[in-house]
Amino acid sequence: AQSVTQLGSHVSVSEGALVLLRCNYSSSVPPYLFWYVQYPNQGLQLLLKYTTGATLVKGINGFEAEFKKSETSFHLTKPSAHMSDAAEYFCAVSGANTGFQKLVFGTGTRLLVSP
Amino acid sequence: DGGITQSPKYLFRKEGQNVTLSCEQNLNHDAMYWYRQDPGQGLRLIYYSQIVNDFQKGDIAEGYSVSREKKESFPLTVTSAQKNPTAFYLCASSLQGAFAEAFFGQGTRLTVV
Repeated sequence: AQSVTQLGSHVSVSEGALVLLRCNYSSSVPPYLFWYVQYPNQGLQLLLKYTTGATLVKGINGFEAEFKKSETSFHLTKPSAHMSDAAEYFCAVSGANTGFQKLVFGTGTRLLVSP
Repeated sequence: DGGITQSPKYLFRKEGQNVTLSCEQNLNHDAMYWYRQDPGQGLRLIYYSQIVNDFQKGDIAEGYSVSREKKESFPLTVTSAQKNPTAFYLCASSLQGAFAEAFFGQGTRLTVV
């Protein structure tokens, strides 16, 4: 079984500040990890994903995430927040041995960016 | 342009009526999914299909039904048996494999009054 915990339903930052969104996962098999972004009344868009290989993953819009197996974490960061980053962010996990993508999502973190 | 189209974007229905949400993709993906999104609960899987004419229940399938007669189409019917149908519904598709990126439609917001 797999699960995802996102700490903090809301995170507020100032424009130009560091963005850190936390994600911890539980998986009985090697995980594949994803971060998606959702703007209001829109679908989800993939920011980045970790499958195998390099543990530091770079995505779109300047975001990156690091897979830390020892901490079962996959936190999302961005060095400098922009107003356009205000959205809801979802961490998700799937299992490497399923042969099929059945994503399990966290409950989401809403990022608020103030001027 | 390739993508996933959900229609309509907003849907209002009276309690007790069945309603069907449309999902079409032109990405040539084998796998398709329906998720339900409620505030503070993330996305929950309703049904998924890995191939035409085959589909499986997800975590919250009660009160819903689907069909997969064509590779491009995966409609979802919300039946009167669904106790709390008001929600945001998202359709997605992907290639086979746990590593594959899921592509999402723009969603349908269903309100039952």
